[in-house]
Amino acid sequence: GAGVSQSPRYKVAKRGQDVALRCDPISGHVSLFWYQQALGQGPEFLTYFQNEAQLDKSGLPSDRFFAERPEGSVSTLKIQRTQQEDSAVYLCASSRPTNNEQFFGPGTRLTVL
Amino acid sequence: ELKVEQNPLFLSMQEGKNYTIYCNYSTTSDRLYWYRQDPGKSLESLFVLLSNGAVKQEGRLMASLDTKARLSTLHITAAVHDLSATYFCAALFGNEKLTFGTGTRLTIIP
Repeated sequence: GAGVSQSPRYKVAKRGQDVALRCDPISGHVSLFWYQQALGQGPEFLTYFQNEAQLDKSGLPSDRFFAERPEGSVSTLKIQRTQQEDSAVYLCASSRPTNNEQFFGPGTRLTVL
Repeated sequence: ELKVEQNPLFLSMQEGKNYTIYCNYSTTSDRLYWYRQDPGKSLESLFVLLSNGAVKQEGRLMASLDTKARLSTLHITAAVHDLSATYFCAALFGNEKLTFGTGTRLTIIP
């Protein structure tokens, strides 16, 4: 069956550019999560949606980061005026309403030059 | 502050040997997860541990949870090369977000 998909898989941006990363969760999964994984580190929580409601955005590192899920399905993570420290893999995960187990997508590797 | 600590960070094992990875977490957690990550790949769920004393086994891997000690272990039995990967534990606190450990990079040497 279809898992969590993310696009693009790789993105190279020049410093100062805006980028948009897309996540398609597993069908029927109510909760959607974004994590940032720096090289050699564990993933770190960025933000969390339940349906279209953004319930927790405490992990977003700055106001340059913005996430949305307007129809409660596909989500977009937008990073404005990218900086070199934004270079990381951005992972999306989704989970069912009755089970907290999170299923992760393949990630988007962002490189900011 | 919520913290999840793993040790060791790096582990080289000979094939056929046994070893244990340890995961400590700083405060009461609702559940504990173990994930595997291969280089350049995403996270593969291995185990979900829900309660004190929980033990789960899959092949050569066995995970356990002691909520009183705030400790989970991942035990590897008779290691084989295809177990080489990075293993993460993650604890679920409160509102569903996961806090991950730093990972244990496991290399199995023939």
